[in-house]
Amino acid sequence: AQKVTQAQTEISVVEKEDVTLDCVYETRDTTYYLFWYKQPPSGELVFLIRRNSFDEQNEISGRYSWNFQKSTSSFNFTITASQVVDSAVYFCALSEVSSGTYKYIFGTGTRLKVLA
Amino acid sequence: DVKVTQSSRYLVKRTGEKVFLECVQDMDHENMFWYRQDPGLGLRLIYFSYDVKMKEKGDIPEGYSVSREKKERFSLILESASTNQTSMYLCASSPGGAGSYNEQFFGPGTRLTVL
Repeated sequence: AQKVTQAQTEISVVEKEDVTLDCVYETRDTTYYLFWYKQPPSGELVFLIRRNSFDEQNEISGRYSWNFQKSTSSFNFTITASQVVDSAVYFCALSEVSSGTYKYIFGTGTRLKVLA
Repeated sequence: DVKVTQSSRYLVKRTGEKVFLECVQDMDHENMFWYRQDPGLGLRLIYFSYDVKMKEKGDIPEGYSVSREKKERFSLILESASTNQTSMYLCASSPGGAGSYNEQFFGPGTRLTVL
């Protein structure tokens, strides 16, 4: 069965620290996509990144970076030099077509608190 | 600026009432989704639609129905609200139609309380 696990329920760091948010997924499909979303205190989820199952290149965007490893079924998200504005709930998600049915599965989220 | 709007930010209803949650997107997206978000459970898909008048059940459709008469509008209906349907409801849309893997754009959410 498809599943996304974010084992870290809540993380607190001090501003300027680096922090990694873990995401482990389960799927039997060879074609799938992985996503990260950010939900700030205002509540609206914001898309951060999409990665397909055939592209294991790591990606960097400013202070954000993502490490996709199919061997460990992980898609981890690192924030470098964290800032208070990074405080939010972060969701990892998996999208695939299973038995002809479209699936979109979210993890339970990791709440990140960045302290000044 | 792309927009998904939901009819209410907060809603309080009584058990047994029929409840309509409305969602409108202005991006001409084919796909629209309804999720509920509960602490410790993340987002769970209730229903989605990849075309007008089309709908597909998600993981937790029981107690809900949907309507999509126009491309830009996707309604979630609670036929007879119950207290266990107290939750945050999130609407989302994405381009591409059935089987696409595009990112979703979310509305601000409706916090529904059923008394």
